[in-house]
Amino acid sequence: GQNIDQPTEMTATEGAIVQINCTYQTSGFNGLFWYQQHAGEAPTFLSYNVLDGLEEKGRFSSFLSRSKGYSYLLLKELQMKDSASYLCAVKDSNYQLIWGAGTKLIIKP
Amino acid sequence: GAVVSQHPSWVICKSGTSVKIECRSLDFQATTMFWYRQFPKQSLMLMATSNEGSKATYEQGVEKDKFLINHASLTLSTLTVTSAHPEDSSFYICSARDSLAGDSDTQYFGPGTRLTVL
Repeated sequence: GQNIDQPTEMTATEGAIVQINCTYQTSGFNGLFWYQQHAGEAPTFLSYNVLDGLEEKGRFSSFLSRSKGYSYLLLKELQMKDSASYLCAVKDSNYQLIWGAGTKLIIKP
Repeated sequence: GAVVSQHPSWVICKSGTSVKIECRSLDFQATTMFWYRQFPKQSLMLMATSNEGSKATYEQGVEKDKFLINHASLTLSTLTVTSAHPEDSSFYICSARDSLAGDSDTQYFGPGTRLTVL
């Protein structure tokens, strides 16, 4: 079966750095997405990785290793507004998005 | 750019009635739109893929006669929940894929519609 694993919840301190991991086992791979979702709101797009390596976008970076079936989202200089759920999603061989359950990130002052 | 709107943002209805939710891509064309449902503290669940000018593709376990999807134009898809029941109460989210964008196939999400069935 297809599976996306993410930690359920993480806690970090304002101003610090946090890494949210995502491992996947899917039938084929055509890209990996990270989305941010604040409580009660729809997800917003953060990043897209299709090749191995690190994609940096401001305070957020996303890394992909296709051989390991692994990605992480790195958030730097954490702000209180970064408290949200972070969803990892993989596009499989049929170009369907398989969603992880999300990681709830709690930022403490 | 890449803005998706949904209407209404929330709706309360009586059991047995039907509710229509609209999803619009405001500044791009979307041949493909997706409808998701999200129950509290759970992940997004894809309900169906809506293709402009053709029938929607429903995920396993989603009743196509209950959740009617129409994608009549490149910027509008509608989801109608027919004969709604309390168990249909959920957060319904649509997303759209920019037909003319590169191969990233990024989905842009609408703000969601919170449906409460009494």
